[in-house]
Amino acid sequence: SQTIHQWPATLVQPVGSPLSLECTVEGTSNPNLYWYRQAAGRGLQLLFYSVGIGQISSEVPQNLSASRPQDRQFILSSKKLLLSDSGFYLCAWQPSGKETQYFGPGTRLLVL
Amino acid sequence: AQKVTQAQTEISVVEKEDVTLDCVYETRDTTYYLFWYKQPPSGELVFLIRRNSFDEQNEISGRYSWNFQKSTSSFNFTITASQVVDSAVYFCALRGSYIPTFGRGTSLIVHP
Repeated sequence: SQTIHQWPATLVQPVGSPLSLECTVEGTSNPNLYWYRQAAGRGLQLLFYSVGIGQISSEVPQNLSASRPQDRQFILSSKKLLLSDSGFYLCAWQPSGKETQYFGPGTRLLVL
Repeated sequence: AQKVTQAQTEISVVEKEDVTLDCVYETRDTTYYLFWYKQPPSGELVFLIRRNSFDEQNEISGRYSWNFQKSTSSFNFTITASQVVDSAVYFCALRGSYIPTFGRGTSLIVHP
């Protein structure tokens, strides 16, 4: 069966520090991968998605970036965090050729 | 462009009451998919159901039921005999020819 992992689960970082959040999927090949952010107010904001290794599409211009160095690995990064980067970050995967997304447990990021 | 509207921000009910969560969508695609997800306090989004645009048959799964009506562009979700464990934020989502679009969610609070 397929599983999706995210780490860390919780992170507290100072403003201006770098960020690296990792997401990995097991039990599938060539999935579509997504990064979402959920700020206060509950709405899901799509940040990046990827349909293959090295292929990244950005939905919202900001100081975040994403990379997909391996088929089942999706990384969210920042060189310098802002206060507004605080939130709940969710990674999701979608089987190739299918329509349903499945979400990871999320990372709670607090920037102080 | 596609849009999902969940007009109910928060619903509060007493245990054993029936509750319906509304979802209205907009899309120009003729083929699309609709989804419901549950987000309990732990944060992870749990997939509940997917419905294809060409299949308007309603579905029942235990205490959950979904009413899909293309004529009114709605995909409503009913929980029968609600329980405290149903307390969560529920998201409706739409995927057409583009990436998925999520509604802002409805927070359901079930009081004992």
